[in-house]
Amino acid sequence: DTEVTQTPKHLVMGMTNKKSLKCEQHMGHRAMYWYKQKAKKPPELMFVYSYEKLSINESVPSRFSPECPNSSLLNLHLHALQPEDSALYLCASSLGASTEAFFGQGTRLTVV
Amino acid sequence: QKEVEQNSGPLSVPEGAIASLNCTYSDRGSQSFFWYRQYSGKSPELIMSIYSNGDKEDGRFTAQLNKASQYVSLLIRDSQPSDSATYLCAGGVSGGSYIPTFGRGTSLIVHP
Repeated sequence: DTEVTQTPKHLVMGMTNKKSLKCEQHMGHRAMYWYKQKAKKPPELMFVYSYEKLSINESVPSRFSPECPNSSLLNLHLHALQPEDSALYLCASSLGASTEAFFGQGTRLTVV
Repeated sequence: QKEVEQNSGPLSVPEGAIASLNCTYSDRGSQSFFWYRQYSGKSPELIMSIYSNGDKEDGRFTAQLNKASQYVSLLIRDSQPSDSATYLCAGGVSGGSYIPTFGRGTSLIVHP
């Protein structure tokens, strides 16, 4: 089983809203990632968690706030987003660093 | 500075032909490389991983890694229209941290 589950699949939010994206895996993976992908562009790394600790933050604005409550869950809290933040948000996990990562189906976010 | 480079294409091949996709990387310390397939509007799907020099075959797919020349390639034999997608090369960047980095992706079109 190589399943990473993301919810919701689609999200529309206003610029003053607060929302959260959720990601779950039960493969025993210890590294989890958030990526952002705009149309016709490759996924762009946002955050990396390793053993439930934030190990990489790619200079992401503070309106995006990651959280890793336990080894199976990863959240991305959203607040005061801008229309340009509209994108496909992808969660991925891997057994460890430098090993293959598996992606969830993504959350299509639209900020209005 | 982009760490993983790919030609964006599109690469157009006839059905049944061999499609050859290439990727170069700049960091000699990178140890692991992955090929993902992404259909429009969907999330990336892992199709091949390669960690050592040489060839790795899986069904119609062959990944090749040449660390001396710093390139990775993916061959797709007997290409099918269903192979039409964007193929993303991903590599690990060293320097104390593994940062999974994607190339821009190559669009493959297999025409009947």
